[in-house]
Amino acid sequence: DTAVSQTPKYLVTQMGNDKSIKCEQNLGHDTMYWYKQDSKKFLKIMFSYNNKELIINETVPNRFSPKSPDKAHLNLHINSLELGDSAVYFCASGVAIHTEAFFGQGTRLTVV
Amino acid sequence: SQQGEEDPQALSIQEGENATMNCSYKTSINNLQWYRQNSGRGLVHLILIRSNEREKHSGRLRVTLDTSKKSSSLLITASRAADTASYFCATDIGGAQKLVFGQGTRLTINP
Repeated sequence: DTAVSQTPKYLVTQMGNDKSIKCEQNLGHDTMYWYKQDSKKFLKIMFSYNNKELIINETVPNRFSPKSPDKAHLNLHINSLELGDSAVYFCASGVAIHTEAFFGQGTRLTVV
Repeated sequence: SQQGEEDPQALSIQEGENATMNCSYKTSINNLQWYRQNSGRGLVHLILIRSNEREKHSGRLRVTLDTSKKSSSLLITASRAADTASYFCATDIGGAQKLVFGQGTRLTINP
C-alpha cells in the first residue's frame, strides 16, 4: 500500500493553463506539506497544513492554492501556469512538523 | 539564504569505501534529519537526531551533531552501489513550523 500517493506523476501543459495535483496519505498523519524541487535539486517548502488548517505559506504566488478537504488529502491547484513553474512537486505528510516526513513520488510538471 | 547546506555537493567513491557528508545550518534547531532521494523518486527518511544528542547509529549509517558548530555529518560505512543517491539534511528551525532542506549531496558509488 502506498503511504503518500500523488497524481499525476507527469504533467505537461501549456502556459496559461490551470492544473491540479492530488495528494492522499493513508498514514493517519495530521500534517501535510507541498514542496517544490527545482532543476538544481533544491527542495523548498511551499505549504504546510495541520489538521486541515494552513500553517505555513512560504510567499508562494497566489496562483498556487492548496486545498485540504480532509486530513488525508492536500491538493494543489495552480492557475495561469508559467514557464518558471516547471519543477517536481512533492507532497509529504508527518505526525507533526518536527517529525519524520513521508514523501510521495513527486509530480514532474513541465510548462511549455 | 538556506538554513541547511550540504558539503560536498557531489561525492564519488569506490564500493566498499566509507562516505561522509556534512551539513551546516544557521539557527537553533529542535532536531536534524537526513533523507535519501534516489533518482526520480521521493525522499526517504533515514535518521533523526535531536538537539540534545551527539551521535546516532542506524545500520551502516552514523550521524553526528555538533550544535556549537551548527553542523552535522552523515557517515555511510562499507558503501554499496545501491547507496548511490542524493542525500539531504533537514532542520526544523526551533520555533518555526516548517522543515527546511539543504541542496543535497549527490553520492555516486562506483562498482
